[in-house]
Amino acid sequence: QMQLRESGSGLVKPSQTLSLTCAVSGGSIASSSSWSWVRQAPGKGLEWIGYVYQSGTTDYNPSLKSRVSLSLDKSRNQFFLKLTSLTAADTAIYYCVRSPRTAVEKAIDRFDPWGQGLLVTVSS
Amino acid sequence: DIQMTQSPSSLSASVGDSVTITCQASRDIGHHLNWYQQKAGKAPQVLIYDVFKVQTGVPSRFVGSGYGTEFTVTINNLQPEDIATYFCQQYESLPITFGQGTKLEIK
Repeated sequence: QMQLRESGSGLVKPSQTLSLTCAVSGGSIASSSSWSWVRQAPGKGLEWIGYVYQSGTTDYNPSLKSRVSLSLDKSRNQFFLKLTSLTAADTAIYYCVRSPRTAVEKAIDRFDPWGQGLLVTVSS
Repeated sequence: DIQMTQSPSSLSASVGDSVTITCQASRDIGHHLNWYQQKAGKAPQVLIYDVFKVQTGVPSRFVGSGYGTEFTVTINNLQPEDIATYFCQQYESLPITFGQGTKLEIK
């Protein structure tokens, strides 16, 4: 069974850069799936950040596009998130997720599975 | 962006009841609609995908329907373990967007 696990710094200062890693086990990141990050501010709803595909193709939420970068490393079966110029509004639980792309004409369909989530707090 | 509007934002019902949550899309999304359940302190999990397909392991008490702009998920024979927040999600076009969530409580 596929599992995803986030890792990285849980406390980041304002204006700094957040770097997170998602380790994938039980399946290959080089499959036909796509790999996304989703975040959830405390007590709030879900916000899709962006996705990366095995080819390196990416797409981002326009609300974050100027500050976000996703990449992957097939040799380590991991994918990564970088988010720059952090503010308190970026405080959230960050989830890494897979989209199996059963509907292959879509870059993303459902999100399954999800990582356990990593709380990132932006504070000085 | 496609806006997803859920209603109600919260509801309370008794064990054994049937409850329905509605999700409205700001434009036609066909059948590109999924539902998630998020229990307190946990990551969301997919319940229903492509409007009506029940994820493996999810009880058949969960029933999805709809097409285009109006979608519902009905939970029949409500159980205590159904206490959670439910989200809809469209994948018709990027950016992916979610409803704001419906918090379900048991009376």
